[in-house]
Amino acid sequence: AQSVTQPDIHITVSEGASLELRCNYSYGATPYLFWYVQSPGQGLQLLLKYFSGDTLVQGIKGFEAEFKRSQSSFNLRKPSVHWSDAAEYFCAVAENTGFQKLVFGTGTRLLVSP
Amino acid sequence: DAGITQSPRHKVTETGTPVTLRCHQTENHRYMYWYRQDPGHGLRLIHYSYGVKDTDKGEVSDGYSVSRSKTEDFLLTLESATSSQTSVYFCAINSGRQETQYFGPGTRLLVL
Repeated sequence: AQSVTQPDIHITVSEGASLELRCNYSYGATPYLFWYVQSPGQGLQLLLKYFSGDTLVQGIKGFEAEFKRSQSSFNLRKPSVHWSDAAEYFCAVAENTGFQKLVFGTGTRLLVSP
Repeated sequence: DAGITQSPRHKVTETGTPVTLRCHQTENHRYMYWYRQDPGHGLRLIHYSYGVKDTDKGEVSDGYSVSRSKTEDFLLTLESATSSQTSVYFCAINSGRQETQYFGPGTRLLVL
């Protein structure tokens, strides 16, 4: 069975500093990989996704993520964080066959300090 | 906004009562999903549908049933609600294996 680990429950970053959120997955083949963001009281919004091809994926709001097969990782990065980026971030994985049944990590809550 | 609505948005009910949550979409997507979100667990798949009358179980399906009699509606029923089913429930839709999965606004359910 697939699983996703987000080792950091909370992260605090100063506004303007760089950000990296970690995500590791367990899956036998190359999975489909996703990052979603959730603002308080809201639904989930897709930031970016990886299916195949270039391992560096660009998303919305200036985010990017890199798929590293050797490390089973799909870490999310942003070069300069804005106060509006404060939210909860979820990494998710799906099998590359069949239906897009997402398996989510437990999330990382990002706090942005002035 | 991917044309997804959920109703009700908030509900308080008592243990042992049946509860039905509705997910409605306006864009004719083939696939629909129900997830629940709980602190420390992220989101977990309850059931999903790949067409009218075609549904299957997800990771945490015990105590839940679903129905899809029309493309646009996917109903989640808690046959006899328990306190462990207190959660936020999200509906999601997409059109294909490599298509973006869009989420609804969620339903907050409290079972007393």
